Amino acid sequence: AQSVTQPDIHITVSEGASLELRCNYSYGATPYLFWYVQSPGQGLQLLLKYFSGDTLVQGIKGFEAEFKRSQSSFNLRKPSVHWSDAAEYFCAVGASFGNEKLTFGTGTRLTIIP
Amino acid sequence: EPEVTQTPSHQVTQMGQEVILRCVPISNHLYFYWYRQILGQKVEFLVSFYNNEISEKSEIFDDQFSVERPDGSNFTLKIRSTKLEDSAMYFCASSETRSTGELFFGEGSRLTVL
Repeated sequence: AQSVTQPDIHITVSEGASLELRCNYSYGATPYLFWYVQSPGQGLQLLLKYFSGDTLVQGIKGFEAEFKRSQSSFNLRKPSVHWSDAAEYFCAVGASFGNEKLTFGTGTRLTIIP
Repeated sequence: EPEVTQTPSHQVTQMGQEVILRCVPISNHLYFYWYRQILGQKVEFLVSFYNNEISEKSEIFDDQFSVERPDGSNFTLKIRSTKLEDSAMYFCASSETRSTGELFFGEGSRLTVL
């Protein structure tokens, strides 16, 4: 069965600093990997996804993520965070045949300090 | 920008009562989903729906749950007899195909069972 681990429950970063949110997955085949963001009172919004090809994927809002098969990781990065990036971030894995059933991690809450 | 809308945003109900959560998916989407998030826990897959039938469901989605697309626009989740442990945020999502990898989520319906 597929699973996702986000080891950091809460991260605090200064505005303008770089950010890396960790995600490790477990899946027997080539996974479909996603990062979603949930702002307070909002639904989940897709930041980026990886299916195949280039292991460094670019997303919206200046985010990127790198798929590392050897480490079973799909970490999310941003070179310089903005106060509006404060939100909950979820990593998710889907089965290789489609996105029928996403398995989410527990999420990482990001706090931005001035 | 098209979006998934959910009603109600918050519902409080007594244990044993029936609840219907409503969703209007994006109009040209063909695949519909319900996920839930118990406070402090992971976002969990409940059910997927395509071509007027359930295509996949989780072990959570027992006989107390049902889904329906009563007309061309609404997608509903019914809980026949609510239990305390059904208290959660319920997210509806839709996607255009199974292969795009992007689910569009609504803002969620918070259900509180007393």
